[in-house]
Amino acid sequence: SQTIHQWPATLVQPVGSPLSLECTVEGTSNPNLYWYRQAAGRGLQLLFYSVGIGQISSEVPQNLSASRPQDRQFILSSKKLLLSDSGFYLCAWSSSNYGYTFGSGTRLTVV
Amino acid sequence: AQSVAQPEDQVNVAEGNPLTVKCTYSVSGNPYLFWYVQYPNRGLQFLLKYITGDNLVKGSYGFEAEFNKSQTSFHLKKPSALVSDSALYFCAVRDKGGNNRLAFGKGNQVVVIP
Repeated sequence: SQTIHQWPATLVQPVGSPLSLECTVEGTSNPNLYWYRQAAGRGLQLLFYSVGIGQISSEVPQNLSASRPQDRQFILSSKKLLLSDSGFYLCAWSSSNYGYTFGSGTRLTVV
Repeated sequence: AQSVAQPEDQVNVAEGNPLTVKCTYSVSGNPYLFWYVQYPNRGLQFLLKYITGDNLVKGSYGFEAEFNKSQTSFHLKKPSALVSDSALYFCAVRDKGGNNRLAFGKGNQVVVIP
């Protein structure tokens, strides 16, 4: 069966420090992968999506970047974190049934 | 662009009473509609979807949703709410832009009162 792993679960980072969040999928090949941010426990903002290795589409200009070095690996990064980068980050992949499967999320607090 | 609207911020319901969470959609063509639930500090969990077929869709945890084309609605329902149903609920529609992107509503907080 397909599973999605996202880590770490929580992260506290100082302003100006780098960031790397990782997401991996098992049990499927060539998935579409997505990074979302959820602020204040409500709406979801699509940050990046990828349809294949090395293919990244950015939805919102910001302080973050994404990479897909392997078919089932999706990484969210920043060179220098801002306070406004705090939030709940969710990775997801889509399957042939047109829906998403989400990871468990990473709570990022920038201090 | 495809979009969904969830008009209520919060829904309060007594335990054992029927629960309804409202969602309306705006699409060109046939809609692919979804409901997800999120518990605190967790990822979203799939509840149900409508792609085609019967207008009444049954999903996980006793939830169901009714697709109404004339009213462009896809309301989520449960006949008898449980305290454990207290969570954040998201309606979503598949974006016509392709790549299986989903456009989510703002979310509805459901509070089930014991």
